[in-house]
Amino acid sequence: NAGVTQTPKFRILKIGQSMTLQCTQDMNHNYMYWYRQDPGMGLKLIYYSVGAGITDKGEVPNGYNVSRSTTEDFPLRLELAAPSQTSVYFCASSSSATGRLTLGETQYFGPGTRLLVL
Amino acid sequence: GDSVTQMEGPVTLSEEAFLTINCTYTATGYPSLFWYVQYPGEGLQLLLKATKADDKGSNKGFEATYRKETTSFHLEKGSVQVSDSAVYFCALSLITSYDKVIFGPGTSLSVIP
Repeated sequence: NAGVTQTPKFRILKIGQSMTLQCTQDMNHNYMYWYRQDPGMGLKLIYYSVGAGITDKGEVPNGYNVSRSTTEDFPLRLELAAPSQTSVYFCASSSSATGRLTLGETQYFGPGTRLLVL
Repeated sequence: GDSVTQMEGPVTLSEEAFLTINCTYTATGYPSLFWYVQYPGEGLQLLLKATKADDKGSNKGFEATYRKETTSFHLEKGSVQVSDSAVYFCALSLITSYDKVIFGPGTSLSVIP
């Protein structure tokens, strides 16, 4: 079982460059999420998706874009990289028949992508 | 607003010591509560969870009880091992305009032989 996979593991970008962080899950989960983790801080939700073709903003969406054309893939796009986007990015997925995490559904996380913008 | 507060780390313990990591929350409504663990270089993994008041979550020797009266979900383990060295995150989930999960800042634990 691969679970949630992310590529690349590490990347250095120059200010103003763009890139796409890839995320794939093989568990047929309907919900997918992108978080960023800054040093000494908890995770902050960037975007989420409740199914193919449906995405919505989280707490910190500025400077990012997402798409969800298939159940498996949920790429995160940075269009104009800025130093403030230096962080570790985690993709996660979850499955819920009701679509409600308050019933205790678990989020499964990928290993993360470390991004440095200089 | 909704938030999760954890005791600051890093926490350093000797092997077989007793562990407590405090977690308190502020939330409107009735959240579910979680503890996630992050081992070096890896993503977060669910350690345990509780979905209603007085529920006790347990896994791998770790326990936490959902205390509504004190809005707390403290993590405990009776005898830690070197392999428990990791960062531990307390989190809550709420139904709002989206399924919102709020994470605490994490507590780093180092267990020395």
